[in-house]
Amino acid sequence: DAGVTQSPTHLIKTRGQQVTLRCSPKSGHDTVSWYQQALGQGPQFIFQYYEEEERQRGNFPDRFSGHQFPNYSSELNVNALLLGDSALYLCASSLAASGRAVNEQYFGPGTRLTVT
Amino acid sequence: KQEVTQIPAALSVPEGENLVLNCSFTDSAIYNLQWFRQDPGKGLTSLLLIQSSQREQTSGRLNASLDKSSGRSTLYIAASQPGDSATYLCALATSGTYKYIFGTGTRLKVLA
Repeated sequence: DAGVTQSPTHLIKTRGQQVTLRCSPKSGHDTVSWYQQALGQGPQFIFQYYEEEERQRGNFPDRFSGHQFPNYSSELNVNALLLGDSALYLCASSLAASGRAVNEQYFGPGTRLTVT
Repeated sequence: KQEVTQIPAALSVPEGENLVLNCSFTDSAIYNLQWFRQDPGKGLTSLLLIQSSQREQTSGRLNASLDKSSGRSTLYIAASQPGDSATYLCALATSGTYKYIFGTGTRLKVLA
């Protein structure tokens, strides 16, 4: 049973460029969340996707956008990259909970983004 | 607004010691709480999940407890080993939201 997978593993971009990160959820999961983890900090919630819709968003600017596909995989897009966007980007999958709640989350290995 | 604090930020212990990592939160209306392990530059490995209605969970040498009334969770590691060296993060989901809020973690080093 494959766990959560993310690609690419590492990425180096220049300020102002755009980047797309990809995530495949654990088999059987239908919900994908994205987190940003700066060095030495805990992960910060970016947004969550369920049924191909963004259903909650954290305190991140509109430069951060996402998409979920019918097979539940997801993409995170960041436009107009800033130096401060350098971080480990983590994808987590879960099975949708009943009501407004989140079930146990399983995390992927992350994508290390460096902006120069 | 939910805030999560982990103390201590770093901990160094000799092999074989039993140790306790602490996680405090400000809003007791939580849905669940999860403890994770993170090795340097890697993703998060789930250790234990405690549902809001539970008081503790155990897995091998690990035991996690939850006390909502005091806003605290503890992760107990028995007979620590060098392989336990990592950063330990607690994260919780507040009722009515879809997100986890993380603490900043405790960096543990177990000396051989």
